[in-house]
Amino acid sequence: GEDVEQSLFLSVREGDSSVINCTYTDSSSTYLYWYKQEPGAGLQLLTYIFSNMDMKQDQRLTVLLNKKDKHLSLRIADTQTGDSAIYFCADAYSGNTPLVFGKGTRLSVIA
Amino acid sequence: DTGVSQDPRHKITKRGQNVTFRCDPISEHNRLYWYRQTLGQGPEFLTYFQNEAQLEKSRLLSDRFSAERPKGSFSTLEIQRTEQGDSAMYLCASSLTEGDGYTFGSGTRLTVV
Repeated sequence: GEDVEQSLFLSVREGDSSVINCTYTDSSSTYLYWYKQEPGAGLQLLTYIFSNMDMKQDQRLTVLLNKKDKHLSLRIADTQTGDSAIYFCADAYSGNTPLVFGKGTRLSVIA
Repeated sequence: DTGVSQDPRHKITKRGQNVTFRCDPISEHNRLYWYRQTLGQGPEFLTYFQNEAQLEKSRLLSDRFSAERPKGSFSTLEIQRTEQGDSAMYLCASSLTEGDGYTFGSGTRLTVV
């Protein structure tokens, strides 16, 4: 079945950029998402990209999609302590198939 | 609209007991999803509904699990004869249309002792 892989930990200094990477196995993935989860909370949708796009920018967030390598990344510019959380990559083949999530990357921001 | 609501937030139960969780999605969302999340893992899909129809169930959803969405609005997830391995966070999410990201509730944390 579909698999989504992420590195488990990332540590950055406040003010630096963070880059969180994700690889997926289903080349037919149409919808790709990034979610943020803070301790004890549900998942918050951050941003998304469709497979017909290579890049999407939304304020401090930039998503890059490399379909050939099945690689997705999330760049957070000017990382703040409030960005400390677990970030999940998720994909779906179509709008009628449920999202498959990675295990999440724990981002720690050092002041 | 206050988003996706889940009740209760926490549930502690003895092994062998039955438990039921409730999810109230965003009112205009016709799609509703249940996921399970254990420590250090991403959410794992359990089942989903479009309106009142249950369209897909994961192999994770054993015979002890049942979900309903009787009027296409709120949904319930029941676990019968709970086991310690059922201890997890149960997340509900809803969405409106194909391609929409999901809006998640805060989850119900189940502890089976």
